[in-house]
Amino acid sequence: KAGVTQTPRYLIKTRGQQVTLSCSPISGHRSVSWYQQTPGQGLQFLFEYFSETQRNKGNFPGRFSGRQFSNSRSEMNVSTLELGDSALYLCASSLEQGAPLHFGNGTRLTVT
Amino acid sequence: EDQVTQSPEALRLQEGESSSLNCSYTVSGLRGLFWYRQDPGKGPEFLFTLYSAGEEKEKERLKATLTKKESFLHITAPKPEDSATYLCAATSSGGSYIPTFGRGTSLIVHP
Repeated sequence: KAGVTQTPRYLIKTRGQQVTLSCSPISGHRSVSWYQQTPGQGLQFLFEYFSETQRNKGNFPGRFSGRQFSNSRSEMNVSTLELGDSALYLCASSLEQGAPLHFGNGTRLTVT
Repeated sequence: EDQVTQSPEALRLQEGESSSLNCSYTVSGLRGLFWYRQDPGKGPEFLFTLYSAGEEKEKERLKATLTKKESFLHITAPKPEDSATYLCAATSSGGSYIPTFGRGTSLIVHP
């Protein structure tokens, strides 16, 4: 069974630009969550989608947004990039709420 | 506010030297306590879920235990391939099922 796939693996962007990250969950998993991981803050929850609806949202500014498609694939977008947005962005899927998360290998975003 | 604290932040062991990692949690009614392993450049990999005090789970050299305030990940006779960052996370019964993660323990096992 294929795991969670995230693309691209690496991105370098300039301040002020926007970026879109993509995630394909494990087949059959309808819940997709996004996390930001930095050395200083650890894993911070961004948002969770289930059946194309945002079910939960973390404490991040509105520059961070996401969506989920009918095939459960998900994208997140960050607009007006700031230096502090440099991080590893992780996508995770799960069978249901409260179930263990299955993570992809992340997208490493560097903002210069 | 839910909180999860892991200690120590970093741990160096010699191969074969057993030890334990600690995860203290403060949540409004524990629903589940999760352990993950993260290798450099990769996403976290699920290891265990514990649901109630007294529960234990084992996998190879790892054993996770749970009390009402904390969880331990015991590593018996570790090998260099056990080197990784170990993360724990807790979900509360009064909330959204979104896990609160600790900062992790970075484990290095020297041959």
